Amino acid sequence: DTEVTQTPKHLVMGMTNKKSLKCEQHMGHRAMYWYKQKAKKPPELMFVYSYEKLSINESVPSRFSPECPNSSLLNLHLHALQPEDSALYLCASSHLGETQYFGPGTRLLVL
Amino acid sequence: EDKVVQSPLSLVVHEGDTVTLNCSYEVTNFRSLLWYKQEKKAPTFLFMLTSSGIEKKSGRLSSILDKKELFSILNITATQTGDSAVYLCAVEGGSGGSNYKLTFGKGTLLTVNP
Repeated sequence: DTEVTQTPKHLVMGMTNKKSLKCEQHMGHRAMYWYKQKAKKPPELMFVYSYEKLSINESVPSRFSPECPNSSLLNLHLHALQPEDSALYLCASSHLGETQYFGPGTRLLVL
Repeated sequence: EDKVVQSPLSLVVHEGDTVTLNCSYEVTNFRSLLWYKQEKKAPTFLFMLTSSGIEKKSGRLSSILDKKELFSILNITATQTGDSAVYLCAVEGGSGGSNYKLTFGKGTLLTVNP
């Protein structure tokens, strides 16, 4: 299995909603990542988990809350988002220090 | 601050042409340079380069890294319309012990016309 999966593929939410994005991999990767990508821009790193512990938080607002329940799963909990948070949210995973493989992403629209 | 600069930002060619995409970088604690292809979805991995002067090839694509001059090139020969995409260069490294951080360039938008 060489795939990173993400659900849902698309999400529309209001500014008062609470939702979660999910990411899963079964490649034995011990590093997992969340990126945000706006249209026509490169991905921007948000969080890095290494051995299920948060190792990097790129000054992301607290309305984004990551969680790594086990070595195969990575969640991103969303609460009180703003319209400018609308973007493609990409999950990636890797062996430590090796190539990152990306999931298909979740397209988020905040109304 | 870590920086990755790609050029050109966009390029339009005809099928069969050869293209060279450029990536220069300034990154603390360099570990590797990666090339990704992004169409309308997530980036797909092309190459990972860690050593200078060793060309990596995959079909019509090839890439090489120069760690002294801090740049890499991605070559695509005999381009096809299916090569149309954004090509992203990313460098793994970072300051402050962030050794698993990828810094992306803005990408090169390649359009291959029939």
